[in-house]
Amino acid sequence: KAGVTQTPRYLIKTRGQQVTLSCSPISGHRSVSWYQQTPGQGLQFLFEYFSETQRNKGNFPGRFSGRQFSNSRSEMNVSTLELGDSALYLCASSLGGQASDTQYFGPGTRLTVL
Amino acid sequence: DAKTTQPTSMDCAEGRAANLPCNHSTISGNEYVYWYRQIHSQGPQYIIHGLKNNETNEMASLIITEDRKSSTLILPHATLRDTAVYYCIVRRLDAGNNRKLIWGLGTSLAVNP
Repeated sequence: KAGVTQTPRYLIKTRGQQVTLSCSPISGHRSVSWYQQTPGQGLQFLFEYFSETQRNKGNFPGRFSGRQFSNSRSEMNVSTLELGDSALYLCASSLGGQASDTQYFGPGTRLTVL
Repeated sequence: DAKTTQPTSMDCAEGRAANLPCNHSTISGNEYVYWYRQIHSQGPQYIIHGLKNNETNEMASLIITEDRKSSTLILPHATLRDTAVYYCIVRRLDAGNNRKLIWGLGTSLAVNP
């Protein structure tokens, strides 16, 4: 079974631009979560989607948004990029039905904002 | 939310067992302990998880104390490829079946030849 895939793997943008990142979950997984990882901060939870609905959200500004499609693929968008948005953005998928189900991560998208 | 405390770094000789401790003294009854590792800025890789009983899989063993306030991840025969940052996470269950994993900074394990 193919793992979680994320595109693009690397991205360079300038301040003020916007960016869209894509995540394809493991086949059969309906939950997709997004995380931001920066040095010294660890993984910070952005949001989770399940069956095309956002069902949990972290403490990030409204510039960060996401959506999920009927095939469970998910995108996240960051508008008006700031230098501090430079990070590794990780997507994780899970079956989504049970409280204890395990999240599996993709390789991440490395975003650099200049 | 239950938080975890892990040593910042550890060393282990190749072929020996690596024992990575984690303290989660505020864990509540329905929270699971999860372990992931991250190799060189790749995505975190799931290793193992448990609720109260010890668990073992092909990658590692998880030992949870009886009071559930701490746990130890054991890599029985560490190899150079096990060099990574290891995260111990307590899974919080929110209302409505929402959930978030609370991540710390993990333990950087160096396996030495």
